[in-house]
Amino acid sequence: ELKVEQNPLFLSMQEGKNYTIYCNYSTTSDRLYWYRQDPGKSLESLFVLLSNGAVKQEGRLMASLDTKARLSTLHITAAVHDLSATYFCAVDLFTNAGKSTFGDGTTLTVKP
Amino acid sequence: DVKVTQSSRYLVKRTGEKVFLECVQDMDHENMFWYRQDPGLGLRLIYFSYDVKMKEKGDIPEGYSVSREKKERFSLILESASTNQTSMYLCASRLRGGLEPQHFGDGTRLSIL
Repeated sequence: ELKVEQNPLFLSMQEGKNYTIYCNYSTTSDRLYWYRQDPGKSLESLFVLLSNGAVKQEGRLMASLDTKARLSTLHITAAVHDLSATYFCAVDLFTNAGKSTFGDGTTLTVKP
Repeated sequence: DVKVTQSSRYLVKRTGEKVFLECVQDMDHENMFWYRQDPGLGLRLIYFSYDVKMKEKGDIPEGYSVSREKKERFSLILESASTNQTSMYLCASRLRGGLEPQHFGDGTRLSIL
């Protein structure tokens, strides 16, 4: 059974600081997704990582995938208040016919 | 842009009622999903459909059923609503093949009194 673990689950940081969210998964996969959820809203896709060594960047967020280590990271550079949200990683298995297994989410609060 | 539309943002129903939550997507996606989201429990898959009239149980199907009569529409049915089904319900759709992310609706916050 595929397990996906995120850490930390809660993160409070100051504006302007850098930090990394980690997503570990238990079974070999090369399909990993990051989603963002604002309070009271639904999930929206941030990044799609489909190969070992994949790196995607948008604004102050950068995601990477290491399939050998079964690890993805979401790096936040010079955090701003607008990045406050819950971030989920999700992993696909080829055998799971399109279903994803989600991590529990990391709730990020950026304080001025 | 993919649009996934859930019929209600907020819904209040009574214990024992039969409740229908509707979800429509406009991008001809084969796969559709129903999740519930509760504080501290993350996203839990209720049911999954990979084609018209095809469905598969997720992690927590008890007390729920689904219907997919047309490709664009996936309905979640609470056969006899109970208070422990008060939750946020999220619908999502996705192209078969899994190289694209899931696209989520805005969610339905359901309260069972």
